[in-house]
Parts: sequence; C-alpha cells; structure tokens
Amino acid sequence: DAGVIQSPRHEVTEMGQEVTLRCKPISGHNSLFWYRQTMMRGLELLIYFNNNVPIDDSGMPEDRFSAKMPNASFSTLKIQPSEPRDSAVYFCASRQTSGRDNEQFFGPGTRLTVL
Amino acid sequence: KNEVEQSPQNLTAQEGEFITINCSYSVGISALHWLQQHPGGGIVSLFMLSSGKKKHGRLIATINIQEKHSSLHITASHPRDSAVYICAVGTSGSRLTFGEGTQLTVNP
Repeated sequence: DAGVIQSPRHEVTEMGQEVTLRCKPISGHNSLFWYRQTMMRGLELLIYFNNNVPIDDSGMPEDRFSAKMPNASFSTLKIQPSEPRDSAVYFCASRQTSGRDNEQFFGPGTRLTVL
Repeated sequence: KNEVEQSPQNLTAQEGEFITINCSYSVGISALHWLQQHPGGGIVSLFMLSSGKKKHGRLIATINIQEKHSSLHITASHPRDSAVYICAVGTSGSRLTFGEGTQLTVNP
C-alpha cells in the first residue's frame, strides 16, 4: 500500500485566497484525521471522521475551515478565506478502528504558506 | 498546565548511549502513543500502548497507568535516531492530545 497520500505537498498562496488540501487514506481504514502543526502550538487535532461521518470537529479553528469526506477514499480540508496565521503543516492520518493495535498512520503533510 | 508534558525538551547524546524520554499526563486515557518526526517532517507511529511494556528493535516503551507516566527508551543510540519524539494520549473517542515533543540529537 502507498500509505496515506496528501496533496499538494507544498502550497503558497496569498491572503484571502481559497486553499484546498486533499487526503487519500489507506485502503480499508475507516477513520481519518486532520491535524495542524505549528511552532507555537505543536500538533493539534482539527477534525476526525469515522466511516465518512465527522465525529469531532471541536478543533476546527473557525468558520473559515471546513472538511468533507464524500467517500471512504477521499477527504478535503478547505480554508476560505486564508490568512497568514493559517500557515502551518497540515497532516492527514488514517487508521482501522477494529482490532487491538489500531495505530494511526500519517501522511507526509502539506506545508501551507499564506503570504 | 498542559495535559501532556514531556521531558526533556531537548536531549543530546553520544552514539551508543542509552536514552530515556518521559511523558506525564493528567487526564484519563484510552491509550498512549509515541510518535517520531524526522527532520524532513514525516511522522511515524512507534508505539501505541495502554498497559505494561512494548519493544520494537532498540526501542522500548513503558506505561504506568496508576502514575500516569510513560517512558520511551532507546538502547545503543545511533545518529539516525535523531528526531523529535512526541507523546500523545488518546482520550474521548479517537481524539489525541499531544505533548510538545522532545528534540533528540545523537552525535557520532
């Protein structure tokens, strides 16, 4: 398996523009997580899905952020409009919730820079 | 006070040394995770444990539920072990709360 796939790997945009980050989880995994990592705050959970349904979005900073999971193999995280303080590395992770050792597998991340 | 605290924040060792990184948490947890993040930024899950001890190669993770404390040990450390090691606890549902990480540098 190719692991969790994220695109783009790097994104540079200007303040006010819409940004869409994409994630393809590992096939067969039924939970998907979006994280943000910054120097100031470290790693933070933004939202996670179980079986394509958003379960906990309490980490989503504000209404400018939205996430969707239209099917088991694809999720998006959208920021509209983007602001410089959104600059961070955004990680997607997935896992299989059945079984005992259901560790999370992380994608390579998308480094977002908002100018 | 953070829910998850790691120590030390930075650690420099010589190749071959035995290394210990500590993690204390203040909430009830379902499981504790140790993650490794290399300079390139990728994150790898090393261990997930809810009791006792796990071993994988030169890495050993232990957890004491009563004391709310976990340790990550690296035996015979090597420069390629240089990375940030992050402790994370699973609380309600699948939510993870992360420590700030420990930057480990192993010199040849």
